[in-house]
Amino acid sequence: EPEVTQTPSHQVTQMGQEVILRCVPISNHLYFYWYRQILGQKVEFLVSFYNNEISEKSEIFDDQFSVERPDGSNFTLKIRSTKLEDSAMYFCASGRSATNEKLFFGSGTQLSVL
Amino acid sequence: LAKTTQPISMDSYEGQEVNITCSHNNIATNDYITWYQQFPSQGPRFIIQGYKTKVTNEVASLFIPADRKSSTLSLPRVSLSDTAVYYCLVGELNYGGSQGNLIFGKGTKLSVKP
Repeated sequence: EPEVTQTPSHQVTQMGQEVILRCVPISNHLYFYWYRQILGQKVEFLVSFYNNEISEKSEIFDDQFSVERPDGSNFTLKIRSTKLEDSAMYFCASGRSATNEKLFFGSGTQLSVL
Repeated sequence: LAKTTQPISMDSYEGQEVNITCSHNNIATNDYITWYQQFPSQGPRFIIQGYKTKVTNEVASLFIPADRKSSTLSLPRVSLSDTAVYYCLVGELNYGGSQGNLIFGKGTKLSVKP
């Protein structure tokens, strides 16, 4: 089965630093997402992206966050100035169509902000 | 969005059939029911989706009564590797690039014992 690939698997950073989390969605998918999961808590929606623009974003996705599809294969999440509360597992997901038919999630990037 | 209620945890033994019920009393006409599975430190994985009656695939069955106010995920003959968190999600199949309404609850933590 095709996979969504995320790098790095772990990222440690200092508070206030910028981080970029990278994702390679499944090649023929057109819809891309970022979710996050704080340890022991629910999986939370951050943002959806289609046709090179944000389709929808949650309250969590404030001005510190941005997403980009810099080329035909990568999808990135940037956090400009990390805070302690940004520590979480970040999941990238992709979908083939505009429906909630089936999303494919990556294995995540564990971000630790010190 | 329809709120979902699931048991926090369930225990089972290898070889048994496991049924996890999800309540969604306020489900809307256009809402579908989707189940995801999540292993520790991994992203959620799609299991099954349905609208009414019964859906079966190679992994599980989904039973939805006529009033659609609940649904039951059935896992036949579970093994140790089925130990995971199972999420019931209810939402529309949106068109137009907006799938942000995949709202994850706390899920049901299934523990399969030998």
